[in-house]
Amino acid sequence: ETGVTQTPRHLVMGMTNKKSLKCEQHLGHNAMYWYKQSAKKPLELMFVYNFKEQTENNSVPSRFSPECPNSSHLFLHLHTLQPEDSALYLCASSQDRGSDTQYFGPGTRLTVL
Amino acid sequence: KQEVTQIPAALSVPEGENLVLNCSFTDSAIYNLQWFRQDPGKGLTSLLLIQSSQREQTSGRLNASLDKSSGRSTLYIAASQPGDSATYLCAVNGNKLVFGAGTILRVKS
Repeated sequence: ETGVTQTPRHLVMGMTNKKSLKCEQHLGHNAMYWYKQSAKKPLELMFVYNFKEQTENNSVPSRFSPECPNSSHLFLHLHTLQPEDSALYLCASSQDRGSDTQYFGPGTRLTVL
Repeated sequence: KQEVTQIPAALSVPEGENLVLNCSFTDSAIYNLQWFRQDPGKGLTSLLLIQSSQREQTSGRLNASLDKSSGRSTLYIAASQPGDSATYLCAVNGNKLVFGAGTILRVKS
């Protein structure tokens, strides 16, 4: 256990559905991250939050909408997704933004039909 | 733009063999480099972190080296075991983590 939990672990949704992914960290960290891991592609950084403020959006389509209500929780709201959005979505946290070690959650396996 | 390359893409070895995984990166302005392990369908487990001022780090049977000037790192696994079978990811941190595509390792019993 890394101290970072993600729910749900698996999600199947249609292209017209709206769903949310949840990440929670119990490490007292200030920075949280969303990553996408598609088949046969390297992990890609999507969003970075530091002290609840978004500090980086890596050109992610607007059908992905992050929310960080506090330093322990991070959400990824999904709507009108495409089949190519099917992937493993990983959340991570670190003490602060930048050079600190990142701790990863187990991921949510998303399938878009 | 930082690019990270891992060689080989896949590796299959008999149990007990010593092996080396390679990672190269294009921009040497980094804070640190991390090696992760990922089991199928699971998240990432951090194995070793080497700060930019360090040359190597060791943990049990794992040893990672860093040559920042040449943009290279190696992960050495001694006396490999079937439980070492996983994907090994190298990630370079220059204010954000940039990952390589990984090396898929299979250790046969």
